Amino acid sequence: DTGVSQDPRHKITKRGQNVTFRCDPISEHNRLYWYRQTLGQGPEFLTYFQNEAQLEKSRLLSDRFSAERPKGSFSTLEIQRTEQGDSAMYLCASSLDRVSPGNTIYFGEGSWLTVV
Amino acid sequence: QKEVEQDPGPLSVPEGAIVSLNCTYSNSAFQYFMWYRQYSRKGPELLMYTYSSGNKEDGRFTAQVDKSSKYISLFIRDSQPSDSATYLCAMINQAGTALIFGKGTTLSVSS
Repeated sequence: DTGVSQDPRHKITKRGQNVTFRCDPISEHNRLYWYRQTLGQGPEFLTYFQNEAQLEKSRLLSDRFSAERPKGSFSTLEIQRTEQGDSAMYLCASSLDRVSPGNTIYFGEGSWLTVV
Repeated sequence: QKEVEQDPGPLSVPEGAIVSLNCTYSNSAFQYFMWYRQYSRKGPELLMYTYSSGNKEDGRFTAQVDKSSKYISLFIRDSQPSDSATYLCAMINQAGTALIFGKGTTLSVSS
């Protein structure tokens, strides 16, 4: 069990550029989540996958954001035409199944995005 | 009103103090309650997990849930400088799909 891994850890991009983040969940975890965290705030839910199916999307996930999880393993989060307001830490998490006693959500170290 | 309220602090205590961190929530459907610790520029790390009213102890940490008051607490005994971090409460309902977090409380323990 190597934990949830995210790449890149840091990304600085110019406004208007596209960026993509990758997440590798804990192996055998069916559920994968994306969160966004800004300074002084707790993580905010963006979307989650059950295997390869994207089952829920937050209203925070504008049409410039797209997430995929092909083959139900790793996931990517792409942000198109980045804006300064997109600057945040993007957290990936995974769980074995629906949260229940014994099944909790584990987070990666996050990918920091700075839009200049 | 946000679903989960947490005082952001900051909270500063001397080494060895007992620390009390709290969250209130409004959604009575929440069933599972968690505390995460987050060091600066790192991802949240799960500390404690409870799903019923009452206390749960793990070393220097005690998590307390009072569902009738919609109030949860995390107590840290004999606090250490290494406990300096942001503590996030999080909760989810039984049919829920994702955790709802508080803002986090920043704790500083001085030696």
